[in-house]
Amino acid sequence: GAVVSQHPSRVICKSGTSVKIECRSLDFQATTMFWYRQFPKQSLMLMATSNEGSKATYEQGVEKDKFLINHASLTLSTLTVTSAHPEDSSFYICSARKRYQGRHKLGSTDTQYFGPGTRLTVL
Amino acid sequence: KNQVEQSPQSLIILEGKNCTLQCNYTVSPFSNLRWYKQDTGRGPVSLTIMTFSENTKSNGRYTATLDADTKQSSLHITASQLSDSASYICVVSAPLSGGYNKLIFGAGTRLAVHP
Repeated sequence: GAVVSQHPSRVICKSGTSVKIECRSLDFQATTMFWYRQFPKQSLMLMATSNEGSKATYEQGVEKDKFLINHASLTLSTLTVTSAHPEDSSFYICSARKRYQGRHKLGSTDTQYFGPGTRLTVL
Repeated sequence: KNQVEQSPQSLIILEGKNCTLQCNYTVSPFSNLRWYKQDTGRGPVSLTIMTFSENTKSNGRYTATLDADTKQSSLHITASQLSDSASYICVVSAPLSGGYNKLIFGAGTRLAVHP
């Protein structure tokens, strides 16, 4: 269980166009989804945290008007890169945190399940 | 300064050999420490998770250790295989209010296993 999918797996677009990336939790409900960006040979950098039914929280330095996040349901979050430019070319990875039932031990082992990533290339 | 430092940055070993990857962190307090394997062009996959009270955790040929006093962790890979070629990422979880954690990622160690 705990499978997260992303679509598309790779996309190539022209500069100035917008690209939408979907993140789905296939077999569980996710109250929170996270969007990361990873440049070559670097680690994952958190871009934003998305909670179902509310506005996303963006990390410092991430433009919320450029990276639009919608978390419309407990199984789907989308990231739209608006007016993409070559510097936006990167590997975008989402993760989903399970919705726990009952009591949850403070700060213990809540788990994020990662998607396979989307390779965006902007020409 | 990155709160999670990994070494070496990259490593090449021959198939069948063992290797050990290091992770030092300054995150405090912390909830747990995970090692992930990330194949090229794929998302990270969890290998092990340890809370502050655990010293070691194994998953097949992968064995992770944790010394919470010195804030060091290691991932030992035994009898390496070609499919072990990947980036290995150390991730430390810092507790937030509400019972959840913030993940702090290391830069990863890129392992190449050669035949």
